[in-house]
Amino acid sequence: GAVVSQHPSWVICKSGTSVKIECRSLDFQATTMFWYRQFPKQSLMLMATSNEGSKATYEQGVEKDKFLINHASLTLSTLTVTSAHPEDSSFYICSATNLQTSNQPQHFGDGTRLSIL
Amino acid sequence: GENVEQHPSTLSVQEGDSAVIKCTYSDSASNYFPWYKQELGKRPQLIIDIRSNVGEKKDQRIAVTLNKTAKHFSLHITETQPEDSAVYFCAADTNAGKSTFGDGTTLTVKP
Repeated sequence: GAVVSQHPSWVICKSGTSVKIECRSLDFQATTMFWYRQFPKQSLMLMATSNEGSKATYEQGVEKDKFLINHASLTLSTLTVTSAHPEDSSFYICSATNLQTSNQPQHFGDGTRLSIL
Repeated sequence: GENVEQHPSTLSVQEGDSAVIKCTYSDSASNYFPWYKQELGKRPQLIIDIRSNVGEKKDQRIAVTLNKTAKHFSLHITETQPEDSAVYFCAADTNAGKSTFGDGTTLTVKP
């Protein structure tokens, strides 16, 4: 159980394009989803915490107008990278949990490799 | 906020030897400590976890110890195998479910 699906797994697009990444919990209700960014050979850096039905909480240094997060249902959160530029190229990973039933652990999606040309 | 330090950053062992990775945390409110294994380009996979009311937990070749007073916890892998080679991350979580990750340890098991 506790499967999280992330789509797409790989995106290549031109500079200036907006890219949407979806994170779905397939067999449980996710009250909370987290979005991470990971550069090569580095750790997971939390970008924002997304709670169902409310605005996301962004970590310091993360531009909320650049990285739009929507968590409209208990099974879906989306991250939109607006007007993407080469420096936005990275590996983006979501995770999901239900804090009402068990506040741990997080269940991770497979990640999205974003390459901006 | 929470700060998690992880050591060593790289670790190379011979097949069959043991590997130990150590982490320290700063926030005494952290109460859950998962360990993840991540292979290149893949998702982090939970391999073992421990809650703050427990001092030690073991699952076959993997064990984790927690010292709440000293705020440190360790991952122990015995009888290492080449397929154990990966990057390992420790993390510290609060009740809000928010994880702070260590910088990772690249483990290489030489056959």
